[in-house]
Amino acid sequence: LAKTTQPISMDSYEGQEVNITCSHNNIATNDYITWYQQFPSQGPRFIIQGYKTKVTNEVASLFIPADRKSSTLSLPRVSLSDTAVYYCLVEGSGGGADGLTFGKGTHLIIQP
Amino acid sequence: NAGVTQTPKFRVLKTGQSMTLLCAQDMNHEYMYWYRQDPGMGLRLIHYSVGEGTTAKGEVPDGYNVSRLKKQNFLLGLESAAPSQTSVYFCASSDDRDRNQPQHFGDGTRLSIL
Repeated sequence: LAKTTQPISMDSYEGQEVNITCSHNNIATNDYITWYQQFPSQGPRFIIQGYKTKVTNEVASLFIPADRKSSTLSLPRVSLSDTAVYYCLVEGSGGGADGLTFGKGTHLIIQP
Repeated sequence: NAGVTQTPKFRVLKTGQSMTLLCAQDMNHEYMYWYRQDPGMGLRLIHYSVGEGTTAKGEVPDGYNVSRLKKQNFLLGLESAAPSQTSVYFCASSDDRDRNQPQHFGDGTRLSIL
């Protein structure tokens, strides 16, 4: 069961690129890395998922080095509405509850 | 397309009372999950289901029971509510074809136990 470690909080400013790194030293071969975003009074929302190298969608990019022991969520040109808590999960394939543990996440605060 | 719907949205109970939280999804997902989130904390898995008629324990199952009689519904029950169960409860579902499909969450049920 891969445990994840990410910073408790981060601050940035509108228009900047924000990178949030998650460590997962015990990631298994079949594990995927998934990032979720949560706003106050709402459930988490899927942002991006990857297995290796780089994944990009309309919202973010996910960078995963060759050893897969960490991953970095990159949010380009953030705005005030990106203020939220971001969770990194390492989910095992094959069913079960492996990886279904949301840590405290990273509270990202964007200032004007 | 409603996604994942949780009812009720808010509830206040007295210690010892019982209640059932309902989660409904309209995406034909096989997997469903119940989490609780306490202030300043992440989500902790209570119970989950990998298909109709199945349930399994998560990280914090004590004091809760669940049932999955229909594929689209996942019920979370508190038989004798305790103040320690004051929390926000989130339900989620995910597709069965590939375990790595992301979870879709409801907006939560805020439960206070007095």
